[in-house]
Amino acid sequence: DAGVTQSPTHLIKTRGQQVTLRCSPISGHKSVSWYQQVLGQGPQFIFQYYEKEERGRGNFPDRFSARQFPNYSSELNVNALLLGDSALYLCASSLFRGRGFTEAFFGQGTRLTVV
Amino acid sequence: SQQGEEDPQALSIQEGENATMNCSYKTSINNLQWYRQNSGRGLVHLILIRSNEREKHSGRLRVTLDTSKKSSSLLITASRAADTASYFCATDAAGNQFYFGTGTSLTVIP
Repeated sequence: DAGVTQSPTHLIKTRGQQVTLRCSPISGHKSVSWYQQVLGQGPQFIFQYYEKEERGRGNFPDRFSARQFPNYSSELNVNALLLGDSALYLCASSLFRGRGFTEAFFGQGTRLTVV
Repeated sequence: SQQGEEDPQALSIQEGENATMNCSYKTSINNLQWYRQNSGRGLVHLILIRSNEREKHSGRLRVTLDTSKKSSSLLITASRAADTASYFCATDAAGNQFYFGTGTSLTVIP
């Protein structure tokens, strides 16, 4: 089975531009989460989607938005890019079972550089 | 803000030695997971321990959880050069929304 796939792997954008990052979860996983990892730090939670509905949002400005499609893939959008948005953006998927969600499996990430 | 903190921030050991890293967190959790990250790429899931468990093993990995102290430890036995990576603990308090610490950078010297 394919793991979590993210595209693109690298991206360079200019300040003020908008960017869309994509994520395909593991087949059968209905939960997708997004994380931002700045160099030297641990990942920070941005969004979680389950069954196409937003289930949680981290402490990020409204410039960040996301959605989940009927096939459970997801997009993360960031508007009005700032230099500080330069980071590795990670997507994770997991399965919901009776006792809760299983472990999260991460993609390789999208490295966003804002210049 | 980060939920947890790993300790130490950096660890350097000889191949064959054991490596222990610790994680402290702030709020009640459903479970705690440990991840490995090589060279700033994707996170690899190592082990999940639920809040009602105290110890768990997986191969050369041993994880403990003390919910009264809000802390966990990861022990890697008989380390190998390939274990060189950053290790993160992640707590899940709100249903699959993980909060990560700042990580421990492990270097295993051949």
